[in-house]
Amino acid sequence: GQQVMQIPQYQHVQEGEDFTTYCNSSTTLSNIQWYKQRPGGHPVFLIQLVKSGEVKKQKRLTFQFGEAKKNSSLHITATQTTDVGTYFCAVPNQAGTALIFGKGTTLSVSS
Amino acid sequence: DAGITQSPRHKVTETGTPVTLRCHQTENHRYMYWYRQDPGHGLRLIHYSYGVKDTDKGEVSDGYSVSRSKTEDFLLTLESATSSQTSVYFCAISESLAGSTDTQYFGPGTRLTVL
Repeated sequence: GQQVMQIPQYQHVQEGEDFTTYCNSSTTLSNIQWYKQRPGGHPVFLIQLVKSGEVKKQKRLTFQFGEAKKNSSLHITATQTTDVGTYFCAVPNQAGTALIFGKGTTLSVSS
Repeated sequence: DAGITQSPRHKVTETGTPVTLRCHQTENHRYMYWYRQDPGHGLRLIHYSYGVKDTDKGEVSDGYSVSRSKTEDFLLTLESATSSQTSVYFCAISESLAGSTDTQYFGPGTRLTVL
């Protein structure tokens, strides 16, 4: 069945260091979405990528969609304590009726 | 945040009892979803609805049923709760006919403990 793998599962960084999480699919994707969940909170939409090789930036966050549309990454430059949380990628299921979420990467930041 | 509420926010129940969780939206979105979130498993889809009285199963639907009699309400029922159903349950909505390609907006979640 369709799978989406997200690595690493956990990442601890010192404030100011960079952070990257990767999402890999077993199938070619029409699009990929990224969500952030703060501790004790609910997932919140960050961005959607649609085009092959697409790169989008939101302040210190850079999102990239692979050329083959099978993988994606989220890179945070100079992490801050406000970046703490779990980052999920989400991809459409094969029927196009719902999203499949990766297991997430939990980021902790120490100051 | 989108207008989504979940009730109750916390519930403790005993094995074998029925439990109903409610999701209410004020956005008039067509699609509604129920997920469960467990450590090490991320978010897994239980059931979803693509309109009033139109529902379908997700990845982990065994032991759960849903109903949607009004656009704004989506109910999740555990007919006979088991300890394996202890989890955090999130409701989500999305806007248009594109369904899964749309942004999903999540409710605040319900923490359910089955003893």
